[in-house]
Amino acid sequence: QLQLQESGPGLVEPSETLSLTCVVSGGSISDGTSYWAWIRQPPGKGLEWIGTVYHTGTTYYNPSLKSRVTISVDTSKSQFSLKLSSVTAADTAVYYCARLYLGTTGDYWGQGTLVTVSS
Amino acid sequence: QSALTQPPSASGSPGQSVTISCTGTSSDVGGYNYVSWYQQYPGKAPKFMIYEVSKRPSGVPDRFSGSKSGNTASLTVSGLQAEDEADYYCVSYTGSNNVIFGGGTKLTVL
Repeated sequence: QLQLQESGPGLVEPSETLSLTCVVSGGSISDGTSYWAWIRQPPGKGLEWIGTVYHTGTTYYNPSLKSRVTISVDTSKSQFSLKLSSVTAADTAVYYCARLYLGTTGDYWGQGTLVTVSS
Repeated sequence: QSALTQPPSASGSPGQSVTISCTGTSSDVGGYNYVSWYQQYPGKAPKFMIYEVSKRPSGVPDRFSGSKSGNTASLTVSGLQAEDEADYYCVSYTGSNNVIFGGGTKLTVL
């Protein structure tokens, strides 16, 4: 059973860079059908796709966040990471990592981690 | 890239059926048969209920069904049960390994 677990600081100061890591266990991060995504949900609001990375390192980003987002993968550690720069209070959200089967369907999700942007 | 359009709320009595719509464009919902639906309880991660428009993963009750017509996808919950009360989100593939979410629908079982 595939499992994903997010980790990272729960509090980030405005204008700084938010950094999160997702560790994948119970399966191979290099599986050819798996794409690895970050998705966020501001408190009381809906879900928003941030971006996706393939095990080769190829990335795909939400156009609205592209200028501030970097997603990378480390297959040797079976993990992928998110960096979101120049954060503001609007970036306060629960951040989820997920597997997108064939890049389309989020069939496995992490439990989510709340990141608050505040000084 | 605007979110797919879902009604903010839907409701039904136990045993009834309710349908939640998800409207996009020919560049997303209408262009691909990769629409999926997710159920989310408060404080929990989403759980996928339908994929590729109408397929049900193992373990999801057959009370849940999906369909699509043109640029609008739909999720129907038949035989409503109290446990179905949750938020529901649609997601569509938009090409180039991009996806887009709907705004979410809060389903209330009366």
